[in-house]
Amino acid sequence: QQQVKQSPQSLIVQKGGISIINCAYENTAFDYFPWYQQFPGKGPALLIAIRPDVSEKKEGRFTISFNKSAKQFSLHIMDSQPGDSATYFCAARHSGNTPLVFGKGTRLSVIA
Amino acid sequence: EPEVTQTPSHQVTQMGQEVILRCVPISNHLYFYWYRQILGQKVEFLVSFYNNEISEKSEIFDDQFSVERPDGSNFTLKIRSTKLEDSAMYFCASKSGAGVPSAHNEQFFGPGTRLTVL
Repeated sequence: QQQVKQSPQSLIVQKGGISIINCAYENTAFDYFPWYQQFPGKGPALLIAIRPDVSEKKEGRFTISFNKSAKQFSLHIMDSQPGDSATYFCAARHSGNTPLVFGKGTRLSVIA
Repeated sequence: EPEVTQTPSHQVTQMGQEVILRCVPISNHLYFYWYRQILGQKVEFLVSFYNNEISEKSEIFDDQFSVERPDGSNFTLKIRSTKLEDSAMYFCASKSGAGVPSAHNEQFFGPGTRLTVL
């Protein structure tokens, strides 16, 4: 119930391509879905987040698509760049100040 | 830009020893968290802290763990008798408060302390 399932575990994308990472959840009480980006040796940094009252949110090259009925959400990185190479975590939490539940992470490598 | 800081960046200790990991949250934040990440695995919640008391803890946070906010700035995680399986990256996070605007929802993470138990 508390799990967030993330796939794929790793992803290799050509420079300029689209990177897509998927997550699924079970707990319908979750109402905040952030994506975090983590570089080696650093802490997770918030990339973009969405609430379930919208189906899509776009910030620059990063887009979250949210499907409430399927309990799935995904991160799309358009025009992927080598600098995007990092580990990406999806997460979810209930309202307020409850802790985040993280997916297992996706290691993205963008190759030139 | 304000940030969460953590010290030390790397701590090596012998099994059975006590360690204290330190965090300085962002100054006007009210909610504090510890998470850990075993190498190559997902980030896992340990404990949350608000108004000088634990508000929530996971099953990982057993009697060997404790948290404290000894003054107005530091937030510490103590492991009384470390085990090999405590080896992980420990992240502190802080958050300003509930509700809108959305910035209030964000947990800001520190750079982490890598704990190695030998």
